[in-house]
Amino acid sequence: AQTVTQSQPEMSVQEAETVTLSCTYDTSESDYYLFWYKQPPSRQMILVIRQEAYKQQNATENRFSVNFQKAAKSFSLKISDSQLGDAAMYFCAYAERDSRLTFGEGTQLTVNP
Amino acid sequence: NAGVTQTPKFRILKIGQSMTLQCAQDMNHNYMYWYRQDPGMGLKLIYYSVGAGITDKGEVPNGYNVSRSTTEDFPLRLELAAPSQTSVYFCASKSGTGVEKLLFGSGTQLSVL
Repeated sequence: AQTVTQSQPEMSVQEAETVTLSCTYDTSESDYYLFWYKQPPSRQMILVIRQEAYKQQNATENRFSVNFQKAAKSFSLKISDSQLGDAAMYFCAYAERDSRLTFGEGTQLTVNP
Repeated sequence: NAGVTQTPKFRILKIGQSMTLQCAQDMNHNYMYWYRQDPGMGLKLIYYSVGAGITDKGEVPNGYNVSRSTTEDFPLRLELAAPSQTSVYFCASKSGTGVEKLLFGSGTQLSVL
């Protein structure tokens, strides 16, 4: 079974600074997808960014970017110019084509003014 | 309004009671999913469906049942509720066979006392 590990239960960053959240995963598949979801206190699940494993280029969405290292099975999220609204729980997730997501245990991000 | 609708938003059950969590989507999505999120943890897949009349187990199906008689609805049934089922339950849906964006409902907070 696939597993997703987030080794940082909590992280904090100063407003306007950059922070990187770590994620590693384990799979024997070659075709899969990786995601970062944001969950604010409202508990809504919000897709931040996704990466297809067959693409070598790292995905970018505005201030959010990933560092995808396929051989190392690593998928970190970098948030640039952190804003107070970025404060939330962040989940790394893995899926194959059927979109059955396997989630990590999350990283609680605090943004300090 | 297009989206995934979950009802109720909150519910308290006594041990041994039964209830059905409702999930409906009006986007003609074939794929629907039920996840549970225990406090401080990531989401885990309970059941999923790839179309009307077709359901399959996820990672944590014990104590739950589902049905998919229509494309729009995917109810989750809890029989003989136990404290271990205290959790937030999320329903999600998507349209096709590719890894399109999953759309999540706003969740149902269930407490079993």
